[in-house]
Amino acid sequence: RKEVEQDPGPFNVPEGATVAFNCTYSNSASQSFFWYRQDCRKEPKLLMSVYSSGNEDGRFTAQLNRASQYISLLIRDSKLSDSATYLCVVNEGYSTLTFGKGTMLLVSP
Amino acid sequence: DTGVSQDPRHKITKRGQNVTFRCDPISEHNRLYWYRQTLGQGPEFLTYFQNEAQLEKSRLLSDRFSAERPKGSFSTLEIQRTEQGDSAMYLCASSLITGTYSYEQYFGPGTRLTVT
Repeated sequence: RKEVEQDPGPFNVPEGATVAFNCTYSNSASQSFFWYRQDCRKEPKLLMSVYSSGNEDGRFTAQLNRASQYISLLIRDSKLSDSATYLCVVNEGYSTLTFGKGTMLLVSP
Repeated sequence: DTGVSQDPRHKITKRGQNVTFRCDPISEHNRLYWYRQTLGQGPEFLTYFQNEAQLEKSRLLSDRFSAERPKGSFSTLEIQRTEQGDSAMYLCASSLITGTYSYEQYFGPGTRLTVT
């Protein structure tokens, strides 16, 4: 069975902290990778795509390790508004997405 | 608003009733997906369309579920003879496929179904 595994958390961090999430996937043929953010009772929203060379968007950095089949997300200088569930998402081909169960982040003042 | 829209946002129904949900994708997107999400889980794939063709269905999509996208624009998801286990958030997403490149999927706000 194709799976995406994440630590459910919650990760409790103070404002300004750096926090990292990891995710592993089982299908070595996976083609593309994403992090989505989901606020409570809302739809998932695309945070960033994850490229083999790694990519950065402001305070957020994503890394992909194909050999070990894991993806990471680093959030620097955490804000209260970063509190959400972060979903690791894998696309095995050019169609459906497989989601992890999500990692909950709680940023406190 | 040019994002993905879904209707209704909430639906409460009694067990055994039929329900139908609608999704309007982003206008230039040729792919449309349906997912189901329950509490504490990530979204689970149900089915997807490319234009009007239904290209894949998950084993989660029992015979009581049917989806259509008759003109390659909006889509409907119908659940017949609803069961309490059908209670979930039903999410629609759309994306653009050009050649072999698949762009990111964008989600609608979902329809929350409660079966009593």
